[in-house]
Amino acid sequence: NAGVTQTPKFRVLKTGQSMTLLCAQDMNHEYMYWYRQDPGMGLRLIHYSVGEGTTAKGEVPDGYNVSRLKKQNFLLGLESAAPSQTSVYFCASRYSWDTTSHTGELFFGEGSRLTVL
Amino acid sequence: KQEVTQIPAALSVPEGENLVLNCSFTDSAIYNLQWFRQDPGKGLTSLLLIQSSQREQTSGRLNASLDKSSGRSTLYIAASQPGDSATYLCVLNAGGTSYGKLTFGQGTILTVHP
Repeated sequence: NAGVTQTPKFRVLKTGQSMTLLCAQDMNHEYMYWYRQDPGMGLRLIHYSVGEGTTAKGEVPDGYNVSRLKKQNFLLGLESAAPSQTSVYFCASRYSWDTTSHTGELFFGEGSRLTVL
Repeated sequence: KQEVTQIPAALSVPEGENLVLNCSFTDSAIYNLQWFRQDPGKGLTSLLLIQSSQREQTSGRLNASLDKSSGRSTLYIAASQPGDSATYLCVLNAGGTSYGKLTFGQGTILTVHP
């Protein structure tokens, strides 16, 4: 059971370049989230998804796009990277409802450190 | 709007001390509350999850309590060790029919010195 896996773990981009971060979970979770973490700012929600084929904006969605074509994968895209997007990105997932067999526990990936020059 | 406050923002203690980290919230309509630790440059590791119907959860030297009426959760760490040094975060899940809105505290930076 791998849990939540993020790739790549590190990436350096030049301003204007594009890239995609992949989040994969093997726990059959409905909910998936993308956060960014900056010094002194805590975790801020970028986009989230409540199920396959559905996505929605969080607190800081500008400059990012997401897709959830498969239930287990949640992709975060940067179409034209800017230095302000230098950050550590975390993916998280959980079941939608607590049941007798699932606690609704939130699981995080190990993070992807992105630097935009 | 749910607001989560963690006190203290930073704590430095000698090894062996018992300590309490606090998490206060403004809206008692929560679904569950989860405590995490984050080591520098690392991801978030889940420590304890408390459902809204529960009062406390225990794992090893850790004990987390929940009092919805007072809007407070505490994380108790017994016999602290240098390896406990990390940032501790509480996360509230509002549940409901939405995406289960998650609200994060700003964290308590714990340093346990030998």
